[in-house]
Amino acid sequence: DADVTQTPRNRITKTGKRIMLECSQTKGHDRMYWYRQDPGLGLRLIYYSFDVKDINKGEISDGYSVSRQAQAKFSLSLESAIPNQTALYFCATSDPRGVPDTQYFGPGTRLTVL
Amino acid sequence: RKEVEQDPGPFNVPEGATVAFNCTYSNSASQSFFWYRQDCRKEPKLLMSVYSSGNEDGRFTAQLNRASQYISLLIRDSKLSDSATYLCVVNSGGGADGLTFGKGTHLIIQP
Repeated sequence: DADVTQTPRNRITKTGKRIMLECSQTKGHDRMYWYRQDPGLGLRLIYYSFDVKDINKGEISDGYSVSRQAQAKFSLSLESAIPNQTALYFCATSDPRGVPDTQYFGPGTRLTVL
Repeated sequence: RKEVEQDPGPFNVPEGATVAFNCTYSNSASQSFFWYRQDCRKEPKLLMSVYSSGNEDGRFTAQLNRASQYISLLIRDSKLSDSATYLCVVNSGGGADGLTFGKGTHLIIQP
């Protein structure tokens, strides 16, 4: 079984809809991240969380919100989706007590906003 | 100047050849360096860390040049399965683990 899972894997939605992407991990890591990847732009950090009570904005947090429901779960919400939020979204985890700086990514969610 | 820069490629290389590509970084205080591999439409995965003295893992060799602020990845005896995008990742400290991802270099190994 995958250590970091994301649901849904693919989603098509319409402009203005609220959508939630979910991430779960069984690695026992405290740190979790949400990135988006766009062609030609690479990976960009949206939000990150170092533990259940810690939420931080990343490089491109506008239009997004997150919730860290438990150590193992970190969800990303688009309150009112817009077409330029069409992208591949990755969740990742890390453990500073383990292999330093290594991030473990989920399989990704391909989101299309029409 | 962008924090982490890579030649996007694609690098088209015949099977069995040796290929190398570099990544430059702008923050001289950067502390640690990595290469990740990403297959098409898949998640990035750690390929190898890059140590100051250089390091090797099978056919892969990574080098760090702090004076010129670049890291390199060399692949010997390339295989078809090496075709992927290689992401340079630099830790410059600060929040969110300080990781900055390059946009990647696309490598195509041709039979």
